[in-house]
Amino acid sequence: DTEVTQTPKHLVMGMTNKKSLKCEQHMGHRAMYWYKQKAKKPPELMFVYSYEKLSINESVPSRFSPECPNSSLLNLHLHALQPEDSALYLCASGQAPSYEQYFGPGTRLTVT
Amino acid sequence: QQQVKQSPQSLIVQKGGISIINCAYENTAFDYFPWYQQFPGKGPALLIAIRPDVSEKKEGRFTISFNKSAKQFSLHIMDSQPGDSATYFCAASTMSNYQLIWGAGTKLIIKP
Repeated sequence: DTEVTQTPKHLVMGMTNKKSLKCEQHMGHRAMYWYKQKAKKPPELMFVYSYEKLSINESVPSRFSPECPNSSLLNLHLHALQPEDSALYLCASGQAPSYEQYFGPGTRLTVT
Repeated sequence: QQQVKQSPQSLIVQKGGISIINCAYENTAFDYFPWYQQFPGKGPALLIAIRPDVSEKKEGRFTISFNKSAKQFSLHIMDSQPGDSATYFCAASTMSNYQLIWGAGTKLIIKP
C-alpha cells in the first residue's frame, strides 16, 4: 500500500462549527505532515509529527489543533475557523528522517 | 536565502515538444532537489528528485539538469503530452530539518 488517504474530500463548515480532518498511511512512515494550500500557491507547512510527537509547528493559529493517535493516523481538529482558512488541506508522510514526502489527495475546506 | 525562485509562471508547449522549467536557489546547504507534479484538485506527486553530486537524472521522459556552480536546476519534459498539463513545483531541502522550500509553481499547458 503506497497511498496516503484523506477524509473527507470536501468539507463546508460555518465559523462556529467544530470538525476534523483525517489522514491515514500504511507505508510504515514515521513522519507525517499537514500542509495548507491556497489556489495557485505552493503548499505551506503547518505541522510535522515525527514518531508520533509534534516536532514542528509553523506558528499556526490555535484554531487548528493537530493530533497523531498512532503511527498511521493524523488528525487536524478545526474550530472557530475564518473564511480565509478556506483552502486545500494536504497530508503527507515520509520516512523519518528522510527527504521524500508523499502527499494525499487533500481535503477541500470551505468556511462560510 | 531560503527562497527557491521558479520560472516561468506559466508555459504553453505544443504536443511533442520539450517543456523546460527552471529553478534557482541561494542556500548552498540545500542538498535535495525534488520536482512535484500537481493536477487540479489533487495533492502534489513526487515526480523526480536529484542530489547535488550528479548533474543529470533521467526517468522516462522527465530529466532534471543540475548546475551546482550556477545554483540552478531545471526540469525537462521530452515529447510533451496533453496528459502532462499540470502545475509543476520545484523544491529544495537540507539534512538539517528535511523541510521542503517550494518554488512558486509553473502552470504547464500542452496543446494538442
